[in-house]
Amino acid sequence: SAVISQKPSRDICQRGTSLTIQCQVDSQVTMMFWYRQQPGQSLTLIATANQGSEATYESGFVIDKFPISRPNLTFSTLTVSNLSPEDSSIYLCSAIGWVGDTQYFGPGTRLTVL
Amino acid sequence: AQSVTQPDIHITVSEGASLELRCNYSYGATPYLFWYVQSPGQGLQLLLKYFSGDTLVQGIKGFEAEFKRSQSSFNLRKPSVHWSDAAEYFCAVGPPTTSGTYKYIFGTGTRLKVLA
Repeated sequence: SAVISQKPSRDICQRGTSLTIQCQVDSQVTMMFWYRQQPGQSLTLIATANQGSEATYESGFVIDKFPISRPNLTFSTLTVSNLSPEDSSIYLCSAIGWVGDTQYFGPGTRLTVL
Repeated sequence: AQSVTQPDIHITVSEGASLELRCNYSYGATPYLFWYVQSPGQGLQLLLKYFSGDTLVQGIKGFEAEFKRSQSSFNLRKPSVHWSDAAEYFCAVGPPTTSGTYKYIFGTGTRLKVLA
C-alpha cells in the first residue's frame, strides 16, 4: 500500500487569496487524484493529476480555479484560487499504485475561508 | 447510471453489539468494491476490498463484508462493536483494472455512533 502525506493539515484563509496543498506519496504511483469533501458530504472528484501533462478535470471544476501540478510520480499540488467561503472543505489527495487496483488516501487538508 | 447507495445516514449501536452497514450499487459490470472508514478530522482508511473469488472478505479491525451479486450489495459487518469504531463509513465501487479507467464512485456515507 502507498503512504500519503499532505501539507498543510489545515489552514484558515482570507477571501480572495489562494492556498496550495502538497501531496507526497512514499512510492511511485501511476495515478493521483484530488477530491473535495464539503461539510457533511461524500467525496467529489476534482481532477486526475497527470504526470508531466495537464490535469483532467471533472465536470464543474476548472483549471483556473483549481490548478494542479504533478512534476513526478510521487508528488502533486492542488491550488485553490480566489477563495470564497464556499471553498471551505476538506481536500483529499489519493493515489493508485502500479498494481492499479486500490486507491489510497492522504489525511486531508481542512480549509476554512473567512 | 452508475451509483452507490448507503441507505442509512446515521446508525447508533451499543458497544459490544453487532453491526451491519448496507451498501447497494448500480454498475454496468461487476466492479471492484471497497469500504473505507473516516474518523473525525482524518482521511479515508481502507477497511477491505473485493475483487473476485470468495464473496466473504475479511478486513482490518475485525470487519468483514459479503458480496451478493444477485442483490448488487456489499454490506459491511462486525460482530462486536468497540467505542473506537465510531466514525463515518464509505462504500465505494471502482472499475476493474482491465477497463483502463480509475474513477471511483462513493456512497454518501453512514455515520456510526457507539453508545457506552
